Amino acid sequence: AQSVTQLDSQVPVFEEAPVELRCNYSSSVSVYLFWYVQYPNQGLQLLLKYLSGSTLVKGINGFEAEFNKSQTSFHLRKPSVHISDTAEYFCAVSDVGQGAQKLVFGQGTRLTINP
Amino acid sequence: DGGITQSPKYLFRKEGQNVTLSCEQNLNHDAMYWYRQDPGQGLRLIYYSQIVNDFQKGDIAEGYSVSREKKESFPLTVTSAQKNPTAFYLCASGARELKTQYFGPGTRLLVL
Repeated sequence: AQSVTQLDSQVPVFEEAPVELRCNYSSSVSVYLFWYVQYPNQGLQLLLKYLSGSTLVKGINGFEAEFNKSQTSFHLRKPSVHISDTAEYFCAVSDVGQGAQKLVFGQGTRLTINP
Repeated sequence: DGGITQSPKYLFRKEGQNVTLSCEQNLNHDAMYWYRQDPGQGLRLIYYSQIVNDFQKGDIAEGYSVSREKKESFPLTVTSAQKNPTAFYLCASGARELKTQYFGPGTRLLVL
């Protein structure tokens, strides 16, 4: 069975500072990895995904993430955050299989940007 | 304008009542999913469907039922057997070749 651990439940950051949201996963098979963002009372929006190829993945809104297979991590980074980045961020994993794509989510990290 | 729609945005359930949440997509995706979101617990899979007229239980299917009569629609019924239904419910869809799920805006279910 797969599992995802987001190491920080809350991350406060000042505006224009860099941020890293940490995600570790556990799986016995190869995986796809995803980061989603959720604004209050809204659905999830895909930020970026790793399916194969380059381990450094760039997404929307200036975010990027790096897949590290040896450390089973997929940390999300942004070099300079804005007030509008205040939201909850979810890391998710699915196995590389031919069947249904079942996502397993972490518990989320609430990112708060302070002026 | 392609996307996933969920209705209603808010839904109130009385004790002993069944309620149905709607999910529609015009993305031509084969697969559709229902997740439940509780504070501090991330999202958990309730049911999923890979093709019309077929669906499978997820991790927390007890007290829920679904149908998939059309490719575009995947309604979720919260039955009276679900003793703790208060949550935010999210529907998603995906195409096998995309290997990615896209989410609707969600329905918040509250118990009166």
